[in-house]
Amino acid sequence: DIQMTQSPSSLSASVGDRVTITCRASQNITNYLNWYQQKPGKAPKLLIYAASSLQRGVPSGFSGSGSGTDFTLTISSLQPEDFGAYYCQQTYSDPVTFGGGTKVEIK
Amino acid sequence: QVQLQESGPGLVKPSETLSLTCTVSGGSITNYSWTWIRQSPGKGLEWIGYIDHSGNTNYNPSLKSRVTISVDTSKNKFSLKMRSVTAADTAVYYCARYSSGWYFDHWGQGTLVTVSS
Repeated sequence: DIQMTQSPSSLSASVGDRVTITCRASQNITNYLNWYQQKPGKAPKLLIYAASSLQRGVPSGFSGSGSGTDFTLTISSLQPEDFGAYYCQQTYSDPVTFGGGTKVEIK
Repeated sequence: QVQLQESGPGLVKPSETLSLTCTVSGGSITNYSWTWIRQSPGKGLEWIGYIDHSGNTNYNPSLKSRVTISVDTSKNKFSLKMRSVTAADTAVYYCARYSSGWYFDHWGQGTLVTVSS
């Protein structure tokens, strides 16, 4: 199985801050990397697919980059509604696997 | 807009079979793949398996011996059966659409299944 390692596991930042979450795959997954946001009690929501493509309807303040084994999700200016958990996911090979998550808290 | 809704018992006894259904509305279930994911309380996301538009299935090896995913195109539904459940199977179960672009773009709201006697 491909292991996905996210860091940090949690962070606290202020509104307007630039936030970066990283995800590392245990082997090359080219760009088969997606990012999801999950709010408490809700289903995950797709933010970024294929490492850097913004899902329709997602604010442009979210962006993704990377390829191979190292990936980054960036929130350019943190908004109050951006709290929640963020997960990376690889779909390069089965079984599909997720990172352990990053919990984002607003200061 | 495609919508998914999970349904099934919220309580299952140990050693019995967990059965969930996902109803798809706002679009046809054909020509897409469909998947199940679960999340144990306070934990991360675990992929269970998927079924594609041809009826082919693929399961997480960690669950493969106990899981079956099927689809009923006439009712626009797909289902999950998990046999011989234990307390470790207590989780929120999500159904989702597995897009041809290799991502899960539409999710159900999730349903909590508790395994307890």
